[in-house]
Amino acid sequence: DIVLTQSPALAVSLGQRATISCRASQSVSISRYNLMHWYQQKPGQQPKLLIYRASNLASGIPARFSGSGSGTDFTLTINPVQADDIATYYCQQSRESPDTFGAGTKLELK
Amino acid sequence: EVQLVESGGGLVQPGRSLKLSCAASGFTFSDYNMAWVRQAPTKGLEWVASISYGGSNTHYGDSVKGRFTISRDNAKSTLYLQMDSLRSEDTATYYCARHLGDFDYWGQGVMVTVSS
Repeated sequence: DIVLTQSPALAVSLGQRATISCRASQSVSISRYNLMHWYQQKPGQQPKLLIYRASNLASGIPARFSGSGSGTDFTLTINPVQADDIATYYCQQSRESPDTFGAGTKLELK
Repeated sequence: EVQLVESGGGLVQPGRSLKLSCAASGFTFSDYNMAWVRQAPTKGLEWVASISYGGSNTHYGDSVKGRFTISRDNAKSTLYLQMDSLRSEDTATYYCARHLGDFDYWGQGVMVTVSS
């Protein structure tokens, strides 16, 4: 299985940039498609898709969220961070079955 | 508006069975692959099973293979998860989700607790 590694937590100040990373144990890219996706989950709520295929903003997601990366290294950026963005963020790969998720990065206020 | 509403959760003893349902609306259900994803208390997300849009292809995670069965009724726009031989480690919130590689829409989840 492809293992996705995320830092457990990140502390950030409101109005600043947050950069959340996800590293895969093997490449999750096929040709020009980077099969990495990002989700936001707030306590007591279901996950919400933010970014699909590494850099595409999902419907209704604010433009302060962006994604980048290819191969094994991917990044979710939130700029500027707002109070509503305090949540846990998960990456997920669909390059190879089984689909796997990272353990999540909890975004906290500094 | 896409809506996915799970039901059927609850408290069940180890070794017993439970069947979850997910009622879909707001999109053409028969056009989409669907999946179940679970989350144990205070833990991360784990893909459980997926089913193709027509129902002919299914895939399972190793932890549930041989015990869980995913199915769908396109006429009723409903997804199911039959869970047999339940174990304490199956305790989790179970989400149904539309599966396009990414999981683009999720239900609110249903809690399953396996305990004697």
